Amino acid sequence: DVKVTQSSRYLVKRTGEKVFLECVQDMDHENMFWYRQDPGLGLRLIYFSYDVKMKEKGDIPEGYSVSREKKERFSLILESASTNQTSMYLCASTSVVNEQYFGPGTRLTVT
Amino acid sequence: AQSVAQPEDQVNVAEGNPLTVKCTYSVSGNPYLFWYVQYPNRGLQFLLKYITGDNLVKGSYGFEAEFNKSQTSFHLKKPSALVSDSALYFCAVSPGDNYGQNFVFGPGTRLSVLP
Repeated sequence: DVKVTQSSRYLVKRTGEKVFLECVQDMDHENMFWYRQDPGLGLRLIYFSYDVKMKEKGDIPEGYSVSREKKERFSLILESASTNQTSMYLCASTSVVNEQYFGPGTRLTVT
Repeated sequence: AQSVAQPEDQVNVAEGNPLTVKCTYSVSGNPYLFWYVQYPNRGLQFLLKYITGDNLVKGSYGFEAEFNKSQTSFHLKKPSALVSDSALYFCAVSPGDNYGQNFVFGPGTRLSVLP
């Protein structure tokens, strides 16, 4: 079974802190994604990566950056956390012509 | 730009009755279409997909969906609902000619199956 893991299920950070969310997949997938999920808005794409060291902005990249140094790991970085970044963060991976596999999500609260 | 609409925020159905969760999409070229389900405090789980071929696709847990190109729809259906089907359902689309690099999700439909 494909497994996508995220470093934390719940996280509480203070405004202005630098926050790292990590995602690891074990199926050698080329493509990896970071979304945030907010009620009534569905999933919104923050960044995606289609190869090591490659990244593309999604729909809402402002305030975020990403890192993909190894194929299995895709990190989301909040450079200076703000309260409007309180959300559920979902990581996903996929290979060509296949569905996405999602991690369990990280519920981030910024106070 | 592609988009996905799920016109109903909430769908209520009695256990044992058929259910339909609606999805319409807009995408350039041939669409790849997906349905996912999310249970409370969990990530999304894949239900089924349409890539090509038969317009009626069958997926996990007895769900099926019908691709209708003329109506640009991909409605999710199940002949007999279970209370355990209560969850949040997302429709998603990716353009076939740029697959893997851009998925768009609908806002989600909350399904409640009443005993």
